[in-house]
Amino acid sequence: QQKVQQSPESLTVSEGAMASLNCTFSDGTSDNFRWYRQHSGKGLEVLVSIFSDGEKEEGRFTAHLNRASLHVSLHIREPQPSDSAVYLCAMSRGTGGYKVVFGSGTRLLVSP
Amino acid sequence: DPKIIQKPKYLVAVTGSEKILICEQYLGHNAMYWYRQSAKKPLEFMFSYSYQKLMDNQTASSRFQPQSSKKNHLDLQITALKPDDSATYFCASSQDGGANSDYTFGSGTRLLVI
Repeated sequence: QQKVQQSPESLTVSEGAMASLNCTFSDGTSDNFRWYRQHSGKGLEVLVSIFSDGEKEEGRFTAHLNRASLHVSLHIREPQPSDSAVYLCAMSRGTGGYKVVFGSGTRLLVSP
Repeated sequence: DPKIIQKPKYLVAVTGSEKILICEQYLGHNAMYWYRQSAKKPLEFMFSYSYQKLMDNQTASSRFQPQSSKKNHLDLQITALKPDDSATYFCASSQDGGANSDYTFGSGTRLLVI
């Protein structure tokens, strides 16, 4: 079963400074990678979906995927205090009724 | 308006009892899922349904039984509750069961078993 490791466990950045989050996975069988955000006590919100190596930008959120190095990252440009949340990376394979495997999350705190 | 409704938001249950967690989605999606989030653990896949049929079950215990009475409903029945079942249970849906479909998550049911 695919294993997903996120780092760091927690991160504090100042408002406006770039925030970078990382995710490594155990094998290259996954096709689809996503980054989610979860505010305290809320459901998950998808931020970026990326399906091929390279970069994908959605507003202030940019994901980088490198399957060869089993790594996917998320960069948040100009983070704001409202971006303080837990960020989860997730990956899956393209089969019907697919199962998504999540990382354990990075808790981001953006200080004003 | 929330697109996925989970009820109740909070639930306290006694060990050994049975509860049903409700999930309804109004997105017109054909696939629905249950995930569990326990303290200090990653979000964990439980079940996936597509067109009201079970596609995948990663829950070891038969005490967890999904129920789909309509295409936009996927309830979760939990019997013989144990304190270890305490967690937040998230329902999600996607257009279809394909991996390229984004999930939409509900806000969760927080279950505490005492």
